[in-house]
Amino acid sequence: QQQVKQSPQSLIVQKGGISIINCAYENTAFDYFPWYQQFPGKGPALLIAIRPDVSEKKEGRFTISFNKSAKQFSLHIMDSQPGDSATYFCAASKRGANNLFFGTGTRLTVIP
Amino acid sequence: KAGVTQTPRYLIKTRGQQVTLSCSPISGHRSVSWYQQTPGQGLQFLFEYFSETQRNKGNFPGRFSGRQFSNSRSEMNVSTLELGDSALYLCASHRVGIGNTEAFFGQGTRLTVV
Repeated sequence: QQQVKQSPQSLIVQKGGISIINCAYENTAFDYFPWYQQFPGKGPALLIAIRPDVSEKKEGRFTISFNKSAKQFSLHIMDSQPGDSATYFCAASKRGANNLFFGTGTRLTVIP
Repeated sequence: KAGVTQTPRYLIKTRGQQVTLSCSPISGHRSVSWYQQTPGQGLQFLFEYFSETQRNKGNFPGRFSGRQFSNSRSEMNVSTLELGDSALYLCASHRVGIGNTEAFFGQGTRLTVV
């Protein structure tokens, strides 16, 4: 059973547009919610992460919005660039644990 | 500072054989986790080692095993390989072992079972 559900599976955005990827979870023991970016042939790299005590976190063009009551969180990429074209994974881990439960990934393509 | 190093990068094995993959974490990192990445199942947690002890284990058969050495380097072993074991195996290291810390991933080992 997929503990973290991610959508959409793929996304095409024009350069300069906003990319939005959504994730949902059921397990209330999750306490840490990172987003990873993966380019072909590379391992995932941490983009940004949030804990449930805040509703939003922004780092540069990347923002996580977190809705604890709905058990949902999303990644917003502002001013999307062709270099952002990659696969994005949301993830979650339980309090005190390092093992991550990953979403199924979103393949983002930013067209010039 | 060197990142997480995984060797080999690519591996082709025959069904029924066994394989050992190696991971050197970032210097000073004591926790190492392993993940399997496939197109069908995505990224799935295999196990985590901290201070040479298995701290956590995912839902994989006993053919998958691992260990960690005193220098924090880790190996994972898959015995009696099956075609379905073909995947990208990723190693991640964490700065500390207490949980909820950033995972730094290596580039992975691409295993193909024929």
